[in-house]
Amino acid sequence: GESVGLHLPTLSVQEGDNSIINCAYSNSASDYFIWYKQESGKGPQFIIDIRSNMDKRQGQRVTVLLNKTVKHLSLQIAATQPGDSAVYFCAENIPTGNQFYFGTGTSLTVIP
Amino acid sequence: DAGVIQSPRHEVTEMGQEVTLRCKPISGHNSLFWYRQTMMRGLELLIYFNNNVPIDDSGMPEDRFSAKMPNASFSTLKIQPSEPRDSAVYFCASSLDWDQQFFGPGTRLTVL
Repeated sequence: GESVGLHLPTLSVQEGDNSIINCAYSNSASDYFIWYKQESGKGPQFIIDIRSNMDKRQGQRVTVLLNKTVKHLSLQIAATQPGDSAVYFCAENIPTGNQFYFGTGTSLTVIP
Repeated sequence: DAGVIQSPRHEVTEMGQEVTLRCKPISGHNSLFWYRQTMMRGLELLIYFNNNVPIDDSGMPEDRFSAKMPNASFSTLKIQPSEPRDSAVYFCASSLDWDQQFFGPGTRLTVL
């Protein structure tokens, strides 16, 4: 039969614009969240994290927003650059079980 | 710090052969994770260790897969016998307790 792969959400942005990548998480008990970036041929790399007692955390050019009411996480990248092109994963940590669950990822393409 | 080291980086083998993937975690980290990544299923957690003890192996697909961690600086993931559907990129990651995970570069396995 025909194989069906994961349908990754995709986002294309112009270089210099801001990017927003969204993630819906599954468990209201999750207390720690991480955004990872995976470039082609490489393993996921940590970008930024946030704990459930916070709503917002900023890094260098990146901001993560957490809305626990609707179980939503977003990653904002300011002044997006070609080097930001990658697949971005959100991961949630559920205290019971002590492991991270990864989303399917969003593919970001930056157009020069 | 060298980061998480995985070997080999690429492995091509024939169906029925035994495959052993190796991982050296970051020194001082006490948790180690094995993941599999495919286009069909995305990033899947296979097994993880804490202080060299397997904590959760519910993600291991079947008895053909086994993992060991004989000491804090080394882990193996073995597939015996291998099958074409095992073709994937296998990542090892390590962390200190349940903090962010650092991923290795991955082993790309092709089973013919």
